[in-house]
Amino acid sequence: AQSVAQPEDQVNVAEGNPLTVKCTYSVSGNPYLFWYVQYPNRGLQFLLKYITGDNLVKGSYGFEAEFNKSQTSFHLKKPSALVSDSALYFCAVRASNRDDKIIFGKGTRLHILP
Amino acid sequence: DAGVIQSPRHEVTEMGQEVTLRCKPISGHNSLFWYRQTMMRGLELLIYFNNNVPIDDSGMPEDRFSAKMPNASFSTLKIQPSEPRDSAVYFCASSSLGIEQFFGPGTRLTVL
Repeated sequence: AQSVAQPEDQVNVAEGNPLTVKCTYSVSGNPYLFWYVQYPNRGLQFLLKYITGDNLVKGSYGFEAEFNKSQTSFHLKKPSALVSDSALYFCAVRASNRDDKIIFGKGTRLHILP
Repeated sequence: DAGVIQSPRHEVTEMGQEVTLRCKPISGHNSLFWYRQTMMRGLELLIYFNNNVPIDDSGMPEDRFSAKMPNASFSTLKIQPSEPRDSAVYFCASSSLGIEQFFGPGTRLTVL
């Protein structure tokens, strides 16, 4: 069965510091991996995805994520955090050889402190 | 492209009333998903369609919930009768080729 774990409910980072939001996954076969962001009273917005190829994926707003097959992880990173990055972040996974259903993690709330 | 369109954006109703939520997916997308988000349960997949056909409705909480997709550009999620515990934000999302999903702005439902 497919699953996603986001071990931290909340992450606090000072503005200007690097940030990491953790995600691990479990899937049969090769994964498709995604990160989404949700701002207050808004729908989820797609940030980036890993399908195949380079393990380092770059996305919107300066975010990037690294696919690590041996550790089954897909951590979200940004070199320098902005206060405007404060939001709820969701990791998601889908097996490449399965149907269209994507499994979402429970979300990690990111607080960037000014 | 206008993105995924949902209506209404807010709905307040009384217990026992029928509620209908509407979704227009992005043109050309062949998969449509209905989610529910609450503080307690997070984001839950209710049902999804592929080429207008329901594929997996295992997330639909009970028989009071039903969803239809009569054509590629329209879907409804109906709750009849509604209960206070149905209060949540309901999202519709669509995707093409089963890759990333694009979410609508959501409908905030309050059942009194």
